[in-house]
Amino acid sequence: AQTVTQSQPEMSVQEAETVTLSCTYDTSESDYYLFWYKQPPSRQMILVIRQEAYKQQNATENRFSVNFQKAAKSFSLKISDSQLGDAAMYFCCLKSTTQGGSEKLVFGKGTKLTVNP
Amino acid sequence: DGGITQSPKYLFRKEGQNVTLSCEQNLNHDAMYWYRQDPGQGLRLIYYSQIVNDFQKGDIAEGYSVSREKKESFPLTVTSAQKNPTAFYLCASSIVARHYEQYFGPGTRLTVT
Repeated sequence: AQTVTQSQPEMSVQEAETVTLSCTYDTSESDYYLFWYKQPPSRQMILVIRQEAYKQQNATENRFSVNFQKAAKSFSLKISDSQLGDAAMYFCCLKSTTQGGSEKLVFGKGTKLTVNP
Repeated sequence: DGGITQSPKYLFRKEGQNVTLSCEQNLNHDAMYWYRQDPGQGLRLIYYSQIVNDFQKGDIAEGYSVSREKKESFPLTVTSAQKNPTAFYLCASSIVARHYEQYFGPGTRLTVT
């Protein structure tokens, strides 16, 4: 079974500083995708960044970047120059294939990020 | 503007009553999903549909039912058989070929007393 583990229930960072959120996963698939979703207080889920497992280069989206360590099954999210609007729950997510052959997303339990002014 | 709407934002029901949560999208997406979110937990998949008139059970389908009569709509019914229905429910949609890039609605908070 595919699993996603986020070991940090809560993290905090000072505005303008950098923070890294951890995520480990387990999958038996050779071709898969990993994602980070953000859920602000409005509760709406927003896709932050995605990484294809076959790509060695780490994905980057503006201030957000990942450190993808395939052998270690690690997928951390780095937020640079943190802003107050970055405060949210962050979910690490893995694309998984169901027994019926369909694909679904498996979510970690989330990390609550607080940004201090 | 294209997007997903869920209504209402907050819903209250008495125990033993069935309740239907609405989800509508105008993104022309074929695939739609229902997730449940409990405090301190990630999202868990209830049901999903990749095409009209077809849907599949997710990880926690017991006590829930869905229909997909139109491409734009994917309502979720929480039945009285669901033992712990109080939760936050999120609907999402995607292009089938890019199912991982899901667009989420604002969610409905259901409280059953």
